[in-house]
Amino acid sequence: GNSVTQMEGPVTLSEEAFLTINCTYTATGYPSLFWYVQYPGEGLQLLLKATKADDKGSNKGFEATYRKETTSFHLEKGSVQVSDSAVYFCALSGSGASYDKVIFGPGTSLSVIP
Amino acid sequence: DTAVSQTPKYLVTQMGNDKSIKCEQNLGHDTMYWYKQDSKKFLKIMFSYNNKELIINETVPNRFSPKSPDKAHLNLHINSLELGDSAVYFCASSQPRDFQETQYFGPGTRLLVL
Repeated sequence: GNSVTQMEGPVTLSEEAFLTINCTYTATGYPSLFWYVQYPGEGLQLLLKATKADDKGSNKGFEATYRKETTSFHLEKGSVQVSDSAVYFCALSGSGASYDKVIFGPGTSLSVIP
Repeated sequence: DTAVSQTPKYLVTQMGNDKSIKCEQNLGHDTMYWYKQDSKKFLKIMFSYNNKELIINETVPNRFSPKSPDKAHLNLHINSLELGDSAVYFCASSQPRDFQETQYFGPGTRLLVL
């Protein structure tokens, strides 16, 4: 079945450091890939997405490129801020039937310290 | 103005009680979901409804019963609450379109069973 693997963390970085959170997936067909972010005490919200191979999603300085050859969708940001402290979830959907459920990774907790 | 709302935000109750959580979305989406997030932030889908019809029913104890009176509402009733039911429950909605499902999450209901 479909699955998503991501580094579990927690990850602690200093402000302005470079961030990479690795995400790899297993899926049949051609899924869409997502990064969701959950700030403390809130629900998840979409950070970025990519719907086909080689697409790059970007938002708020975060980027991820859909790599079909390595089945990966790593999240990167060049310079993190304290306000980026959150839990980040890699997810996939849409690789099969119309009502395929979204598969979420286990989440990676990020803490950015001043 | 809130896209996906849930009530209550916090729920503290005794083991054995019955409780309900309500969810409403004003996005006009056809599909709604219930997720459970454990203390390690792992997110697990429980149910999904499309236009009031149950389409996903994961392995969830039958003490949990979802109800969708219309496509804008999806409620979750839990009978005979157990300690292990303590978690954050998220409602979400989406509009399946070409398999590119962005999910919109509510703020969560924090359930504590004593």
